[in-house]
Amino acid sequence: QKEVEQNSGPLSVPEGAIASLNCTYSDRVSQSFFWYRQYSGKSPELIMSIYSNGDKEDGRFTAQLNKASQYVSLLIRDSQPSDSATYLCAVLSGAGSYQLTFGKGTKLSVIP
Amino acid sequence: DAGVTQSPTHLIKTRGQQVTLRCSPKSGHDTVSWYQQALGQGPQFIFQYYEEEERQRGNFPDRFSGHQFPNYSSELNVNALLLGDSALYLCASTFLTTAMNTEAFFGQGTRLTVV
Repeated sequence: QKEVEQNSGPLSVPEGAIASLNCTYSDRVSQSFFWYRQYSGKSPELIMSIYSNGDKEDGRFTAQLNKASQYVSLLIRDSQPSDSATYLCAVLSGAGSYQLTFGKGTKLSVIP
Repeated sequence: DAGVTQSPTHLIKTRGQQVTLRCSPKSGHDTVSWYQQALGQGPQFIFQYYEEEERQRGNFPDRFSGHQFPNYSSELNVNALLLGDSALYLCASTFLTTAMNTEAFFGQGTRLTVV
């Protein structure tokens, strides 16, 4: 059973701080990793994808991948109240699997 | 560039009824996946369609079926609705490549309520 684990939160950070979101996965053959942001009552929105070990930066967002530790993280710098949402970690396994396996999501609250 | 579109946005059905949800993929995408998201949970994979065939299926009963049309749009059908089928149903489209570096984009979802 492929699993993706996230702390459900809520994670509260003050405006302007760095928010750190973590995710672990069980399937060692996983190849592609994604972070989605989901506002309440809305659908998931893709904000980052990462495929290789290391860091990937896009604006205020940095995704980090460590395949040996089966760990993915998302850092949000200069957090804004508009970043308040649930962040979903999703994993796409290799070996012929085409389904995304999602964690339950971490709810982030940025306090003004 | 049109994104993924789903219809309807909201739906209320009675137990035992059947429902059909529709999805048009993002322009240039050829693969459609369906997910069910219960309140407070992450999306759960139902199945994926590529070249008009079901390519992979998650752990959902046969009451859940689908179809993909030549224009890549897709339908999700659920028969004999149960109260537990109440959820947000999400369609995601991708362009399937052998590199596996595919990003999936979601439609706005269909909120199904079974009463």
